[in-house]
Amino acid sequence: EADIYQTPRYLVIGTGKKITLECSQTMGHDKMYWYQQDPGMELHLIHYSYGVNSTEKGDLSSESTVSRIRTEHFPLTLESARPSHTSQYLCASSPPDSYSPLHFGNGTRLTVT
Amino acid sequence: AQTVTQSQPEMSVQEAETVTLSCTYDTSESDYYLFWYKQPPSRQMILVIRQEAYKQQNATENRFSVNFQKAAKSFSLKISDSQLGDAAMYFCAYRGYKGAQKLVFGQGTRLTINP
Repeated sequence: EADIYQTPRYLVIGTGKKITLECSQTMGHDKMYWYQQDPGMELHLIHYSYGVNSTEKGDLSSESTVSRIRTEHFPLTLESARPSHTSQYLCASSPPDSYSPLHFGNGTRLTVT
Repeated sequence: AQTVTQSQPEMSVQEAETVTLSCTYDTSESDYYLFWYKQPPSRQMILVIRQEAYKQQNATENRFSVNFQKAAKSFSLKISDSQLGDAAMYFCAYRGYKGAQKLVFGQGTRLTINP
């Protein structure tokens, strides 16, 4: 089993709140990713990181931000949550080579009321 | 940009039978990797099988095998002797060889196993 952890597992918050979704991995992977999974189950890349102090926006525009201060930690922050942010967020990490699969966390299901 | 298409939103199969899930992709790259991932309900996304584009031989992992047709840009997944535990969302995914090596997913196919 991959050692990548996401907290919280479920989160229900009100509009306008600031939230941080946590993602940690113990495998020493340089590459980390955040995917947003919509109710239809499609997955869209919203952020990725090559390593410490490296972050890039993904293919889907997102109002969230990320940081990568430590190799093992890749948190995602929403400064002011809106109902349109309601979704499942999946964090993943991988070794440097393309052949190695991404390892996924269990996801955070966010509901903004 | 690369795209991945799964044209079957839902599939069902009788337990112990064989089912094939379809996937096509579009890319201008010559080197890349293809993956099938499985996402059971409320559970972690896990790798089922992977294929290197430069290999002509189709990958096989126990009951799971692929039919990789590079010229047609097709990458289907065959599940033999289907089991109840195979019920899940299945995602086909493309990963480039260079750069960000982002994983691009298809829309997913929900597989139901009928006992």
